[in-house]
Amino acid sequence: AQSVTQPDIHITVSEGASLELRCNYSYGATPYLFWYVQSPGQGLQLLLKYFSGDTLVQGIKGFEAEFKRSQSSFNLRKPSVHWSDAAEYFCAVVPKAAGNKLTFGGGTRVLVKP
Amino acid sequence: KAGVTQTPRYLIKTRGQQVTLSCSPISGHRSVSWYQQTPGQGLQFLFEYFSETQRNKGNFPGRFSGRQFSNSRSEMNVSTLELGDSALYLCASSHPESGTDTQYFGPGTRLTVL
Repeated sequence: AQSVTQPDIHITVSEGASLELRCNYSYGATPYLFWYVQSPGQGLQLLLKYFSGDTLVQGIKGFEAEFKRSQSSFNLRKPSVHWSDAAEYFCAVVPKAAGNKLTFGGGTRVLVKP
Repeated sequence: KAGVTQTPRYLIKTRGQQVTLSCSPISGHRSVSWYQQTPGQGLQFLFEYFSETQRNKGNFPGRFSGRQFSNSRSEMNVSTLELGDSALYLCASSHPESGTDTQYFGPGTRLTVL
């Protein structure tokens, strides 16, 4: 079955430390890939997306993600976390030729320690 | 450009009632999608409208319906509300001439069913 998995429900990281959030997908062909962030009580903000081309994608707020076809993964990274990065992060995919029907992972909640 | 706007931001209804939520997309965007977010089920796709036509539909009962107007504004309606319909309803707009494009989300409408 087609699915998106974010293995980590919660991650706690110290301010200034690096962050990596995992995302794995199970689709027959490589879908379009997205990372969104949601702050409490807010909607979703797009961090970055991968459609094709360079497998290392740069996004907003200092985030980047690497697409690895062999591992069916699209992991999100940030070298140095700020307290304002505390939020919930969602990986999402759309199979090619499926319009705009996003399928989301379960999300990873990031807590930032001072 | 103004972002995606959703009204109202908060709603309280009782079981058996019906509710209508509204979404105004980013100017120039013709695709509007709706998602339901709950703690138990996460983010789930409801439906997508493009040029006043439903283009994609998720796995929700017929009590959930939507429509899109000629100015691309969209409404979704939930009839005969159930307690389990309590959720954050998110609207997203995009500007695809065809296929998939990046979706930009509104702040959501928080629906509570008592």
